Parts: sequence; structure tokens; C-alpha cells
Amino acid sequence: NAGVMQNPRHLVRRRGQEARLRCSPMKGHSHVYWYRQLPEEGLKFMVYLQKENIIDESGMPKERFSAEFPKEGPSILRIQQVVRGDSAAYFCASSADRGLGYGYTFGSGTRLTVV
Amino acid sequence: SQELEQSPQSLIVQEGKNLTINCTSSKTLYGLYWYKQKYGEGLIFLMMLQKGGEEKSHEKITAKLDEKKQQSSLHITASQPSHAGIYLCGADGGTSGSRLTFGEGTQLTVNP
Repeated sequence: NAGVMQNPRHLVRRRGQEARLRCSPMKGHSHVYWYRQLPEEGLKFMVYLQKENIIDESGMPKERFSAEFPKEGPSILRIQQVVRGDSAAYFCASSADRGLGYGYTFGSGTRLTVV
Repeated sequence: SQELEQSPQSLIVQEGKNLTINCTSSKTLYGLYWYKQKYGEGLIFLMMLQKGGEEKSHEKITAKLDEKKQQSSLHITASQPSHAGIYLCGADGGTSGSRLTFGEGTQLTVNP
């Protein structure tokens, strides 16, 4: 039973390029959450999605960032025209419901470096 | 929105010593989660507390949620180098569709 799968583990992009981060939730989980962890800081919520719906995007920057969770396939966090300040670890979590009990399972993260 | 404050921010202890990490919320906690993160890695779930006064243990780690459900503590007995890492407390809003908010974390170093 694979956990939450994130890929790639490491991603290097030049300023101005696009970054696509993928997250496959645990089997049976239909809720996906994206978090960003800047160097030496805690995890900051970005967006919460269910299949084909964005439920809460209150933590998403207004520009350049978007997320989707299609009916089929992984959830995608997309960052357009990356800047150095986007360098961070991006974590995805999934849950079967609102996270009751052991519901929030985290992936190993994608470490984005913008050069 | 719910805010979580963790203390201390960092902690250095000698192997074998006991230690406590605290997590205080600005609002009533409905679900309080403790995670551990090793540098450069993902989050490992430790424990989840829901009821006031609840206490759970796993190996040498014990977590409690106070009666008023606004503070939780994580206690490690006889610490070992393997306990080193960042400890994060997280809380959700208690309703369907809510999500986890995290404290800033406590960096624990255990010297052999």
C-alpha cells in the first residue's frame, strides 16, 4: 500500500521557467493538501482540493501559482515564471475525509531550487 | 484562523535526558496532531489527540491534550540521538473541509 507519492523529489528550474509538481494521494484518499516549507520555516498551507474541485486556496499566492486535482491522475501544483523566492520544499498530504484519526498522510516532498 | 505557537523553538539535550515540547493554540483544538520531520525529509505521523485530557504514548514519546483543549505537550523520556529532528504540531478546524495548520516547529538535537 504505497503512501503519498510526490515527484520529482528534486527539481531545478531557471528563473522564468515553469515548475510542475505532482502528487498521487494514498489509495482511497480523495482529499489533497499542498504545503510549502521555506528554508528554516514551518509548513504553510497553500491549497486544499478534492477531486475536480478547489475547496480552499486561501494560502495560494495570487499570481503564478495554480493547482488542480483531476478526476483521473495526480494532483498538480504549477508554478509559472518561477523566481528565486519560490525555492522551497513543497509537501503534499492526503486524507480520506477531513483527517480523522490517522487521516493526514504526507509525501516526502519536492524540493524546488530556482537558479 | 487558528494559530499555533510552539515552545521552545529549539532544544539541545544530552542523551538520556527527558524533555517536553509545548504547543499552544489561540482557539479550541478539535484535532491536534504531532509530526516529526528529519532534515530534508517528509513528515512522520506520531500521534493525534481529540479529547480534552487525552494522553497517548508510543515507545518513549507521550502526548497530552489539556482539559480545555487549547494546549498540548509532547514529552520524550530518556532521549536518544534517533529522536533528533523537527517536531511539528498541527491542528484542524474540526469540520469537514478544514485543513491542518502547523506551528513553526521545535528543532531537537540530542547529543550522544
